Amino acid sequence: KNEVEQSPQNLTAQEGEFITINCSYSVGISALHWLQQHPGGGIVSLFMLSSGKKKHGRLIATINIQEKHSSLHITASHPRDSAVYICAVRGVTGNQFYFGTGTSLTVIP
Amino acid sequence: KAGVTQTPRYLIKTRGQQVTLSCSPISGHRSVSWYQQTPGQGLQFLFEYFSETQRNKGNFPGRFSGRQFSNSRSEMNVSTLELGDSALYLCASSLVAGQTQYFGPGTRLLVL
Repeated sequence: KNEVEQSPQNLTAQEGEFITINCSYSVGISALHWLQQHPGGGIVSLFMLSSGKKKHGRLIATINIQEKHSSLHITASHPRDSAVYICAVRGVTGNQFYFGTGTSLTVIP
Repeated sequence: KAGVTQTPRYLIKTRGQQVTLSCSPISGHRSVSWYQQTPGQGLQFLFEYFSETQRNKGNFPGRFSGRQFSNSRSEMNVSTLELGDSALYLCASSLVAGQTQYFGPGTRLLVL
């Protein structure tokens, strides 16, 4: 049983499209993280959320604690957004981190 | 500020050997976490250290261990290597536990 589920697994979009990646989790959490991983392995933390909504440039992340669901939106997608996006949660029990399997995004020019 | 550094970047070992990986956090960061990433299992949490104390540990066998030094640098050790330990090992640091993490480039370990 996976504590964190992401959808879709793979996503191909045309440049300029609006993109949504979804994350559902089953454990009580203290925070949810959205991570970006480019080919070659480097990981960048995009957002850390415990409630509401955060925006950074073209990226928006939302979380609904009652529904145990988060979304990552990319507006006006660009080929440089092509990467794997990973949802991670920090559980309140044991303070462990749980990870989704990632969404591989390809943005075509 | 320099980012998180990990050494070595690449490593080849044989089954049964042991390995030590090193992580230097961003200056001033006191929390260091370690993760394992494989194609089959994805990212998995190994352990988290804060002020030289292990705060929590993931579901890995006792062959995986770590420590943090007074300067916040951290090492992880894997003894009696198995083929399945081949992975990318990532270290991340944050000012304090629970805050935004900054990831290092990783150490890619291949066990033959």
